[in-house]
Amino acid sequence: AQKITQTQPGMFVQEKEAVTLDCTYDTSDPSYGLFWYKQPSSGEMIFLIYQGSYDQQNATEGRYSLNFQKARKSANLVISASQLGDSAMYFCAMRERARNFNKFYFGSGTKLNVKP
Amino acid sequence: GAVVSQHPSWVICKSGTSVKIECRSLDFQATTMFWYRQFPKQSLMLMATSNEGSKATYEQGVEKDKFLINHASLTLSTLTVTSAHPEDSSFYICSALIRTSGSYNEQFFGPGTRLTVL
Repeated sequence: AQKITQTQPGMFVQEKEAVTLDCTYDTSDPSYGLFWYKQPSSGEMIFLIYQGSYDQQNATEGRYSLNFQKARKSANLVISASQLGDSAMYFCAMRERARNFNKFYFGSGTKLNVKP
Repeated sequence: GAVVSQHPSWVICKSGTSVKIECRSLDFQATTMFWYRQFPKQSLMLMATSNEGSKATYEQGVEKDKFLINHASLTLSTLTVTSAHPEDSSFYICSALIRTSGSYNEQFFGPGTRLTVL
């Protein structure tokens, strides 16, 4: 089974609007971490936000917030007030304690296009 | 944040030659580094985990003799694609692991190396 599933290959959003990128995960490990990365056309992976499985509150980092629904095993990324520079690929990733938190599982990614 | 560099950023080589890609952690020591491969419009695929002073751990389906990994120091891991063929053309990304005092280990990615084999 896929560890990380991103069902939206591509998304469009109007500049200044909010957008939600979906991510569901599959694990039986009670201790895990969830990450979102942005990959612009240059290729570099840019860390955006982290959510631990035991964190009580949803993570937020500036315009990025993570809608963590543990029972549903979803970790959607919400980008508020989209900017043209947000156009990029976005990857959801997970690490598990069972693997000493060392191995990342990546989703297939979502390509976000922000329209002016 | 911590910086990870890769060299070269892009390389074009002839089929049959070997190519070495370097991954360096610039301002921290990394006992563990990872090598990923990414095909166009696809996700990152973990190839191997590189541990300083020991043999790399390869993921299933990755040829050890094809993709040689050496982690000789705490700041440098190298990936050598031996006898490269056009199907080895890809984007190769390394990352370095930092054990933080927080609840998770931080992984910093390099900028990637684009390999084209003619």
